[in-house]
Amino acid sequence: DAMVIQNPRYQVTQFGKPVTLSCSQTLNHNVMYWYQQKSSQAPKLLFHYYDKDFNNEADTPDNFQSRRPNTSFCFLDIRSPGLGDAAMYLCATSSTGPTIGYTFGSGTRLTVV
Amino acid sequence: EDQVTQSPEALRLQEGESSSLNCSYTVSGLRGLFWYRQDPGKGPEFLFTLYSAGEEKEKERLKATLTKKESFLHITAPKPEDSATYLCAVARWGAGNMLTFGGGTRLMVKP
Repeated sequence: DAMVIQNPRYQVTQFGKPVTLSCSQTLNHNVMYWYQQKSSQAPKLLFHYYDKDFNNEADTPDNFQSRRPNTSFCFLDIRSPGLGDAAMYLCATSSTGPTIGYTFGSGTRLTVV
Repeated sequence: EDQVTQSPEALRLQEGESSSLNCSYTVSGLRGLFWYRQDPGKGPEFLFTLYSAGEEKEKERLKATLTKKESFLHITAPKPEDSATYLCAVARWGAGNMLTFGGGTRLMVKP
């Protein structure tokens, strides 16, 4: 089945230690998104890639970076995680046709200790 | 600025007790309104997309409706397995594929 896969499902990192979360897709969608979701809150868009074009949300902290080496993979790098960065990180993809179809991965739960 | 407000924040139902979840939105040029189900610790799972006022879609015990100001997710005779957080999101023309999410409604169905 075509899908969006996030690894790992759970990540524990130390305060200030860089961490990378990964996302892969088999849908061949040209848009990939990273969302941050804290407990009982709506998902918050951090950035997205339209093909190789990177689009950062204005309020996304500089601590968060992203890479998309090819259509299938996208990475979220947190350079110096703080306690406030503990959250669920969701990757999603969509096509750019007339109907919008978002597919989400299962998420990575990040804990900062 | 696009706004999406969901109510109630939490809803407790007895099994079989039908109810509705509300999603009020303000967007200039609605491209689509989306409903997702999210189970704890998992990513959102797509339920419905509605594109124009008057449109309705159904899936099992769920029925989504849309007006020019709000959408309702009706749950008929819910079962405990319907317990989840239900998220509403809107897409606006001219904003690419960007979605603006509401805060969600956490539904708990007791047996």
